[in-house]
Amino acid sequence: DTAVSQTPKYLVTQMGNDKSIKCEQNLGHDTMYWYKQDSKKFLKIMFSYNNKELIINETVPNRFSPKSPDKAHLNLHINSLELGDSAVYFCASSPTLAGAHTQYFGPGTRLTVL
Amino acid sequence: AQTVTQSQPEMSVQEAETVTLSCTYDTSESNYYLFWYKQPPSRQMILVIRQEAYKQQNATENRFSVNFQKAAKSFSLKISDSQLGDTAMYFCACRSYTGTASKLTFGTGTRLQVTL
Repeated sequence: DTAVSQTPKYLVTQMGNDKSIKCEQNLGHDTMYWYKQDSKKFLKIMFSYNNKELIINETVPNRFSPKSPDKAHLNLHINSLELGDSAVYFCASSPTLAGAHTQYFGPGTRLTVL
Repeated sequence: AQTVTQSQPEMSVQEAETVTLSCTYDTSESNYYLFWYKQPPSRQMILVIRQEAYKQQNATENRFSVNFQKAAKSFSLKISDSQLGDTAMYFCACRSYTGTASKLTFGTGTRLQVTL
């Protein structure tokens, strides 16, 4: 009964490859997010979707393309992977876009680009 | 734009003692919310406590409490009776509410080590 799940938890790939990370939430939330945590543990928002609609795109390279087939899923596809893409990627969700609602995080996906 | 600053990269505390983690923030919004998240070695991000900026009363959750100083834009976390399981990275975060878009901005984190 995991609230926010991500697959895979670990991903090791070569430079130049294309990969996807999947996220699902079973909380009935309207809003989902992708965050990137770099090697220094700094967490920064990448994207936010509300009811399948893109709301926030934080100047992320267009090699990163989020896709939300429905409001319970937000997948992240990355083209032409680069060494600098190595990081932990967190998916999160919240009931609505605004307000004091807590964001619930998935377990993270550690991406290593060789 | 909003920024969150955590000036203590690492801290250490003995079991059963009290420790305070500092956080300052800056936002131009009048409506915002503040959070402390914990990230243990398991990597999971766990909400510790949250504070609505319009509330003057400091939030408390069991052994965790905050000292919210709105004028000073300060939001420190106090952990009482520290336990080994409190060992983790702690992130302070601010979320403003502006119309249709709001986002969570994190500080750089404080690594807390609880020792015997």
